Formats: sequence, structure tokens, C-alpha cells
Amino acid sequence: DQQVKQNSPSLSVQEGRISILNCDYTNSMFDYFLWYKKYPAEGPTFLISISSIKDKNEDGRFTVFLNKSAKHLSLHIVPSQPGDSAVYFCAANPRTGRRALTFGSGTRLQVQP
Amino acid sequence: DAGITQSPRHKVTETGTPVTLRCHQTENHRYMYWYRQDPGHGLRLIHYSYGVKDTDKGEVSDGYSVSRSKTEDFLLTLESATSSQTSVYFCAISESSTPEAFFGQGTRLTVV
Repeated sequence: DQQVKQNSPSLSVQEGRISILNCDYTNSMFDYFLWYKKYPAEGPTFLISISSIKDKNEDGRFTVFLNKSAKHLSLHIVPSQPGDSAVYFCAANPRTGRRALTFGSGTRLQVQP
Repeated sequence: DAGITQSPRHKVTETGTPVTLRCHQTENHRYMYWYRQDPGHGLRLIHYSYGVKDTDKGEVSDGYSVSRSKTEDFLLTLESATSSQTSVYFCAISESSTPEAFFGQGTRLTVV
């Protein structure tokens, strides 16, 4: 039973346009959400996060939106650059219990020059 | 980059043999984790540690054991490797104060 779901395995966008990556979760005990970026043959790197007390967090070209009622979050990348081409993982951390991130299955983003 | 070193980086082993993967950190972080990454599954938690000698199971712990005798080292052992354990293994660390985890470079394990 996947508690964090990324339903789009891949996404292709043109350079300069917006990339929107989506993530849904089922566990209402999650209270902190993160996005990681992963290049081939490297470990995932932390990109941006959001606490459940907020609905938006922005860091440069990256913005994460959280809709708690829908149990949905999204990552917006504007403008998209070819170097953004990677696999993006959504992750969630629970308020109580096991202190470990639960990850989605990832979305491969390809930014076309 | 967080000071995390995984060894070995690549390993090929035969079915039924024991394998130990090592994660070493220089950040003095309390929490350490082992994840595996497989196509279509993302990263799945195998075991984690919340202190020296304190460990707990993750969602895919069958066939794996761990040990943490020092803050800086977290070992993952496959007692008897199987082909289903062919995967890329990532170690991660985090501090007590924030949920962000920092990952090592990964170990690609092939069981033939």
C-alpha cells in the first residue's frame, strides 16, 4: 500500500516553460513534505520542503504547494532548464512514530532545449 | 555535500553468500537509514537507526540485518543474498532537529 504516490512516471517540457510535478499521499499523520532530485549514478539530493502548517514554500525557481484537504502537493519549476532533467522524488515524514521518510516512486523530468 | 561514504560502490556476488555494505558518516548525525531503489518503487526503507545500538525495521526488512556500534558507522548485512536483492542501496543520515535526510552515493549490488 503506497502511502506516497507519484502517478506520472515521466514528464517532458520545453526549456523556459513551467514544469509541474505532482504527488499524492494517503497518511494524514504526515506533517512534513520534501522533494528530492536524483541524477543517474548519484544519490538523491534535497531540493525543497514544506511543513503542513504552510501551503506554499518558494526557493528561487522552485515552489512547492501543499493542499492538505486534497492530500496533494506539487513542485513547480519556473523556468525549466535542461540541467533540471532528473528524477524527482516526493517524500513525507510523519508527525509521530517511525522517524523516516516515505518516498514516492519518482517522476522522470526531461527538459528539452 | 554531507560527509557520507558508502562502500563498496559496486559489488557482484553469488546467490547464497553473505554481503555487508558499509555506511560511514562524519557529520555526527543521530539518525541513519538504509534504503533500496528499484524501478517503479522509488526508495524503500530497509532499516534505520536512531542511535548507537538502536535500530528498527523498515518496510522491506526481510532478509536484511543491520548494526550500529558507533555513531559514524551503519552496516547493512544480507545474510544469504538472493537475486531479488539486486538493487541500488542508499544510506542516508539526518539530524534530530529536521526531517531532511542526506544521502550517500549509493552501492550497486548485483546478485547472480
